[in-house]
This record gives sequence, C-alpha cells and structure tokens, in this order.
Amino acid sequence: GAGVSQSPSNKVTEKGKDVELRCDPISGHTALYWYRQSLGQGLEFLIYFQGNSAPDKSGLPSDRFSAERTGGSVSTLTIQRTQQEDSAVYLCASSFSGQPNEKLFFGSGTQLSVL
Amino acid sequence: AQSVTQLDSQVPVFEEAPVELRCNYSSSVSVYLFWYVQYPNQGLQLLLKYLSGSTLVKGINGFEAEFNKSQTSFHLRKPSVHISDTAEYFCAVSDNSNYQLIWGAGTKLIIKP
Repeated sequence: GAGVSQSPSNKVTEKGKDVELRCDPISGHTALYWYRQSLGQGLEFLIYFQGNSAPDKSGLPSDRFSAERTGGSVSTLTIQRTQQEDSAVYLCASSFSGQPNEKLFFGSGTQLSVL
Repeated sequence: AQSVTQLDSQVPVFEEAPVELRCNYSSSVSVYLFWYVQYPNQGLQLLLKYLSGSTLVKGINGFEAEFNKSQTSFHLRKPSVHISDTAEYFCAVSDNSNYQLIWGAGTKLIIKP
C-alpha cells in the first residue's frame, strides 16, 4: 500500500459503548505502534507489535484497552466501555524493523469523541 | 526517565522571516533525536533526525536542526519560512536501546502573510 491507513477517520460514540479502531500498516513493515494524541499534549505510547513477538502493552492506560495484530499485518485497537477521557486522536505508525533509529510512518489518525 | 520540552506552544512569524522552534530534552544516556511535522489534515511525517556524527542535521523543506549535548537541546531552524510551512512540529527522543519515542507537546508554526 501507499502508506499507513486508519479507519474510521472519525468516530463519535456514547459513553459506555465499545469501539474498534483499525490500522493497516505499510506492507513489509514488521513493527506497528499505537499512540494517543490528546489536545495540547504530545503523543502517548500505547502498544507496540514486532513481528511474532509478544506485544509491549506497557502503555495501555487501563484494562478497557486492548489490541491485536492479525497475521503480522492489520491491527485493531479496541476500547471497551468508553469514557469521556478516552476522547483523543488515536494514531497508528509502522516501521521497517522497529529499530530505535528508524523513521516512523504514520496514518492520519482516528478522532474519537465520547459523548 | 527521559522527557522532552517544547517551550513554545505557538510561534507566529511573518512569511520569509527566519524561525527557530525550541526543543530541550533530559536523558542520562545517549539519545536519538527527531523532528516530525504534521501538516493540516495529514499524518505526521519525519522532518529530520540526529543519530550520531555531525551535530548539524539537514532535513526536508529547507529545515535544519543542531544537536547541542551540553545544553541538551535540538532546536529546529529555517532561514526563510513559507506559508506552506504552516503546521505543528513535534520533537521526540529515544535512547539507542528503546523503540519507544518520548514526545514533546508540539509547537504550532503560524505564518503571517
């Protein structure tokens, strides 16, 4: 694919509902990251996938958040029982091999609004 | 623990004037430093990065940044800005053993005609 694709671009949901956010990384990239960007703040690391290794979930803010990556490609971030404080832009990025000196390729993000 | 500070949330500047966007970091180990740019309605993209070697790093669109280890800074500069440079700029740091980037809060560059 041409770049990292995220869907939906916008999601409005009611408090307490579950949401699923999708990320399709660049073909061949083994590393995939999810970040959260809140208004006026830097990006907050959520989770990291690298190949077939166990994901680094250390950034997930609560057990309402989970993510999976199927077949080493597409990833889904699920937020259960959404709260108003979950409102933010959720960004997905991929890189070739996950080395710390590598360029990250970002999607355009999903703007999540919890009413 | 590492941290990144971008002191200015917004920087207004006239078109064709020079600009400097400031970034300071704290880390006890050797670091990699990055500037990413987010144009309106687009995803973040890499502007430039410092890994090692020459402390002056040149990036895309005429931007450059200088790594200053003694001042723990990595300020971004452009000698003459254009309206198309309107964007939000993010500074980020990682150490050479950790894939996690630590991000600053971002600086919005506002170009005045």
